[in-house]
Amino acid sequence: EVELVESGGGLVQPGGSLRLSCAASGFTFSDHYMDWVRQAPGKGLEWVGRMTNKDDSYSTEYAASVRGRFTISRDDSKNSLYLQMNSLKTEDTAVYYCVRADYYGSGNYLPDAFHIWGQGTMVTVSS
Amino acid sequence: DIVMTQFPNSLAVSLGERATINCKSSRSVLYNSNNKNYLAWYQQKPGQPPKLLISWASTRESGVPDRFSGSGSGTDFTLTISSLQAEDVAVYYCQQYYSTPRTFGQGTKLEIK
Repeated sequence: EVELVESGGGLVQPGGSLRLSCAASGFTFSDHYMDWVRQAPGKGLEWVGRMTNKDDSYSTEYAASVRGRFTISRDDSKNSLYLQMNSLKTEDTAVYYCVRADYYGSGNYLPDAFHIWGQGTMVTVSS
Repeated sequence: DIVMTQFPNSLAVSLGERATINCKSSRSVLYNSNNKNYLAWYQQKPGQPPKLLISWASTRESGVPDRFSGSGSGTDFTLTISSLQAEDVAVYYCQQYYSTPRTFGQGTKLEIK
């Protein structure tokens, strides 16, 4: 079964840090770009950022709202994706979803919609 | 960035009737080299992650009922539910995956009239 499981959410004070993890299973993790998407309470979906895979040099891109504060990384040997969040603000309060994104394997690149989502982990930034 | 705008923001439809949700992108999401529209539709029910319904503007995902259909090209797209069922009550989002940042519409809340 294809699955993504996030962990690491919780309550943190403004200015604090938190690290989210996402464990993948059921597919070849190293063949896919991986993204983070968040959803503030009662609001819509906001793309946070992505990390490409080895075939695309493990590059990262971020939404303007988190650039310079958030860092995405991955460990293909552990089939895991991470989101390091620093200098957290109250407006970062949201459910954070890990999603499987584009395919890049065997020299072939395929942009893709978000077929696979985790259940999400809640991050609350409050004093 | 490509801005995605959905309308209406909310919609109430009677059971068995047609529901139509529109999505407009600020730039074309049609990739000319393969003639594919990089446009997806998602359904989100309370307390659940979004679920992909349609990709490439009109390709229904496996297991999605055929009452759901997507259409459109370039900058204008539509999600249609041909005969609304009670289980279709949800928020629906369009998304472009033509470029980063990946962007979503603001969502359309669908309710039963």
